[in-house]
Amino acid sequence: AQSVAQPEDQVNVAEGNPLTVKCTYSVSGNPYLFWYVQYPNRGLQFLLKYITGDNLVKGSYGFEAEFNKSQTSFHLKKPSALVSDSALYFCAVRDRDDKIIFGKGTRLHILP
Amino acid sequence: DGGITQSPKYLFRKEGQNVTLSCEQNLNHDAMYWYRQDPGQGLRLIYYSQIVNDFQKGDIAEGYSVSREKKESFPLTVTSAQKNPTAFYLCASSIRETSGAWNIQYFGAGTRLSVL
Repeated sequence: AQSVAQPEDQVNVAEGNPLTVKCTYSVSGNPYLFWYVQYPNRGLQFLLKYITGDNLVKGSYGFEAEFNKSQTSFHLKKPSALVSDSALYFCAVRDRDDKIIFGKGTRLHILP
Repeated sequence: DGGITQSPKYLFRKEGQNVTLSCEQNLNHDAMYWYRQDPGQGLRLIYYSQIVNDFQKGDIAEGYSVSREKKESFPLTVTSAQKNPTAFYLCASSIRETSGAWNIQYFGAGTRLSVL
């Protein structure tokens, strides 16, 4: 079965430091992977996606994600964290029925 | 939150009552989705519709019903059969890529449902 896992419920990073939010996936065939961000009491906003091509995908707000096929990972990264990056982040994968399966989310806290 | 409008923002349900959550989109997207969000559980798919007058059950459809009479609208009814309806409900829409696969989803701002 298709699935996606976010092993960390919460990540704390000091402002200005690089951040990584981890995601691993399990799919049959080529994966379609996504990252979304959710601010309090709001809907999800699309950040970036990987379908094919370069393993490093650039997205909104300075975020990027690295696709690693051998490790079945799609970690979200940013070189320098901002306090405003504090939010709930979801990794997602498209399953064989073309539906999106979301991870449980990782809460990112950027400490000033 | 793009062109997807969910209303109301907050909703309270009494015991035995059915309530309907509204979702309207002006993005001309073919597909629409309803998700339920509970703390620590991520998003779970309730129902989805890829075309007008057609919809499919998601992973947790029991106690819910939907209709898709217009492309722009996909209302969700939480029936009295749903015994634990307290959650944050999110509506989304997407458009089909030229490859035939469904593209990224755009979300509304959500409706928070509580039981009185």
